[in-house]
Amino acid sequence: AAGVIQSPRHLIKEKRETATLKCYPIPRHDTVYWYQQGPGQDPQFLISFYEKMQSDKGSIPDRFSAQQFSDYHSELNMSSLELGDSALYFCASSLWTSGSNEQFFGPGTRLTVL
Amino acid sequence: GENVEQHPSTLSVQEGDSAVIKCTYSDSASNYFPWYKQELGKRPQLIIDIRSNVGEKKDQRIAVTLNKTAKHFSLHITETQPEDSAVYFCAVLGRAGKSTFGDGTTLTVKP
Repeated sequence: AAGVIQSPRHLIKEKRETATLKCYPIPRHDTVYWYQQGPGQDPQFLISFYEKMQSDKGSIPDRFSAQQFSDYHSELNMSSLELGDSALYFCASSLWTSGSNEQFFGPGTRLTVL
Repeated sequence: GENVEQHPSTLSVQEGDSAVIKCTYSDSASNYFPWYKQELGKRPQLIIDIRSNVGEKKDQRIAVTLNKTAKHFSLHITETQPEDSAVYFCAVLGRAGKSTFGDGTTLTVKP
């Protein structure tokens, strides 16, 4: 079965640079979530989209923005990168309208800011 | 917002023993409670979940119990095996599907 795809899997950036992470949800899933997981931490919710509209917002810095496109893929744009942005970034998708709450996680993007 | 507390933060058991991890939450409107297993550098993997209209759910060696009145739910792993060693997270689903995670429990199963 198709799973959530994230790209790139690894990314190394310098401070103050920008980064774009991509997420391709499971086909026909209508909701996408972004999470940030620092070393030894639990995943922190950043933002979610339902049917291409932002549905909820968590602890996402103003330097970050995200959107969901017409083909349902989503991008997380990160600017003015800081050392503290180094983390695993997970995207998850679900089919909210089915009544199922299960979120399917992608393999994650490991971002390292030097 | 939702506040989720998870205990213990570390748990060490002998192979074959049982392990129990407990989480409490604050929002009484929450209605979906998944448990995830995460190995180092890998994605969280759903191992079991429970909805608010059910008090207990079991899947082979894994069970989850929910007490909505007390706002806590627990993960029970029986006959633990070394491959059960990982970090376990509870989560609580809020509005719009946002999940709030507990801080995680590092489970070590000693052979």
